[in-house]
Amino acid sequence: DQQVKQNSPSLSVQEGRISILNCDYTNSMFDYFLWYKKYPAEGPTFLISISSIKDKNEDGRFTVFLNKSAKHLSLHIVPSQPGDSAVYFCAASMPLSFGAGTTVTVRA
Amino acid sequence: DAGVTQSPTHLIKTRGQQVTLRCSPKSGHDTVSWYQQALGQGPQFIFQYYEEEERQRGNFPDRFSGHQFPNYSSELNVNALLLGDSALYLCASSLEGRGWNIQYFGAGTRLSVL
Repeated sequence: DQQVKQNSPSLSVQEGRISILNCDYTNSMFDYFLWYKKYPAEGPTFLISISSIKDKNEDGRFTVFLNKSAKHLSLHIVPSQPGDSAVYFCAASMPLSFGAGTTVTVRA
Repeated sequence: DAGVTQSPTHLIKTRGQQVTLRCSPKSGHDTVSWYQQALGQGPQFIFQYYEEEERQRGNFPDRFSGHQFPNYSSELNVNALLLGDSALYLCASSLEGRGWNIQYFGAGTRLSVL
């Protein structure tokens, strides 16, 4: 039973535009949410997180929004850069439950 | 500062065999978690070790076992390998008390079971 779902397997966006990645979860007991980024042949690297007591967290070009009533979170990347091309995983804790990932391709 | 290191990077085994994967955590980290990532899926939590004890376990059979050593390094053992055990195995480390939610991952061990 997958508790964290990323329904878009891929996203293509033009350089400089906004990338929006979405994630839904089913377990209302989750209290912490994270986004990880993964390049080929590397392990996932932590990107940004948000506690369930907040609805927004911002770090540079990355902003995560949490809508607890909808059990939905999203990651906004503005502006998108070619180096952002990677697989992005949404995760919820504890322990970490991951979505299947969204592959982002940033076009020049 | 060395990050999380895993060995070997690739491994090929046959059904019924046993395998041991190794992980050295990031310097200063004391907690190690193991994940299995099947093709096209996100990582799935296997178990976590802290103070040489298994602290939490995901939905994996007893064929999956582990160990943590006094220097915080860890091993993942899988017995009686099945074809379905073919996957990328990821190790992640964190520091207890600093929010182990934020875990640092190694590059993984790719296990192929034939």
